[in-house]
Amino acid sequence: NAGVTQTPKFQVLKTGQSMTLQCAQDMNHNSMYWYRQDPGMGLRLIYYSASEGTTDKGEVPNGYNVSRLNKREFSLRLESAAPSQTSVYFCASSFSTGRGETQYFGPGTRLLVL
Amino acid sequence: DAKTTQPNSMESNEEEPVHLPCNHSTISGTDYIHWYRQLPSQGPEYVIHGLTSNVNNRMASLAIAEDRKSSTLILHRATLRDAAVYYCTSNYGGSQGNLIFGKGTKLSVKP
Repeated sequence: NAGVTQTPKFQVLKTGQSMTLQCAQDMNHNSMYWYRQDPGMGLRLIYYSASEGTTDKGEVPNGYNVSRLNKREFSLRLESAAPSQTSVYFCASSFSTGRGETQYFGPGTRLLVL
Repeated sequence: DAKTTQPNSMESNEEEPVHLPCNHSTISGTDYIHWYRQLPSQGPEYVIHGLTSNVNNRMASLAIAEDRKSSTLILHRATLRDAAVYYCTSNYGGSQGNLIFGKGTKLSVKP
């Protein structure tokens, strides 16, 4: 039982390049989330998927797109990377979006945009 | 406009209890209070959560004030492995299910 896995662990991009961050969970959770964490800050929600087939914007969606490929997988795409997107990206999942639900986080992807 | 207020940092000695405070005065009556911790270079890890009553699990205890405007995470015997950033969080009535994280408290544990 791997929990939440993310690939890659680390990536360096040049401004304008594109890339997709992958996330998968094996806990049969319905809801999945993408957060970013900037140095010394808390996590901010980029996009989320309450259930398979649905996606919605979070607090900071500009410059990103997502795909809920199936119940297990939720990917985050940067179409044209900018230095402001340098951050650590965390994927999380939970059984539902209910208020008492525990979220399980992946190990993160560290992205540097030059 | 911070939703939660936590000390930036705290220090503890190994094997002593640690009380990590959090103020969350704008929380609604149906919002759970969650605590997560983040070890260096790792993702946040669930610690404990509760609604109104005090809660205990194998990792920690959570004491929630009667008016629910504050809570305290209690580590009964701190170990070196407990050194981390501790986040007090909730979804503050949001329908998205996401948790709203502040900057947390960085806990240092001295041997």
